[in-house]
Amino acid sequence: QVQLVQSGAEVKKPGASVKVSCKASGYSFNNYGVSWVRQAPGQGLEWMGWISAYTGNTNYAQNLQGRVTMTTDTSASTAYIELRSLTSDDTAVYYCARDRGSSPGMDVWGQGTTVTVSS
Amino acid sequence: DIQMTQSPSTLSASVGDRVTITCRASQSIGSWLAWYQEKPGKAPKLLIYDASSLESGVPSRFSGSGSGTEFTLTISSLQPDDFATYYCQQYNSYSPLTFGGGTKVEIK
Repeated sequence: QVQLVQSGAEVKKPGASVKVSCKASGYSFNNYGVSWVRQAPGQGLEWMGWISAYTGNTNYAQNLQGRVTMTTDTSASTAYIELRSLTSDDTAVYYCARDRGSSPGMDVWGQGTTVTVSS
Repeated sequence: DIQMTQSPSTLSASVGDRVTITCRASQSIGSWLAWYQEKPGKAPKLLIYDASSLESGVPSRFSGSGSGTEFTLTISSLQPDDFATYYCQQYNSYSPLTFGGGTKVEIK
């Protein structure tokens, strides 16, 4: 079946970097993009950016520009997000989602990866 | 940026009730709107896309309507499994893509 499986929980110190993976299966990875969305404790959903799996073109949220990098490894059907210079405000559950960059929106989601930033 | 405003932020309802959630966009987004359901500890789930198209496998008691700047999600007869938080999201523009603030549907 179509699914996205994310890497496990991370605990990082302020100032460190984190890299989360998202492995796709059950569909043609190159035909879609991937959006990354995070949710801080008790908060709503925040879109972080989108990457085309085929071209590698990216579109990042303005507030994360310079700290975030999204990449894909098409041979492994895997997407990655790296976030640098972490602060406590980056403590959240991070989700990847299959996303064409248009309709129908984010139709398949990963299970989420908890990233905790604490000294 | 396109701002998405949902109302109400919290809604108390009983099983069997008809429930309506509203989402307003700060500028016209055509029909490029999706609705998601989120439950504690679970990833969001796509319910409605293109404002009114029901995602495969989603019960028919869920429906969406609207275009331009005003949209609604309706649950025709609330079921116990429907108590959750609902988010609208516009995908007219990915610069940036934006979500509404969420509507929590609670048991009355």
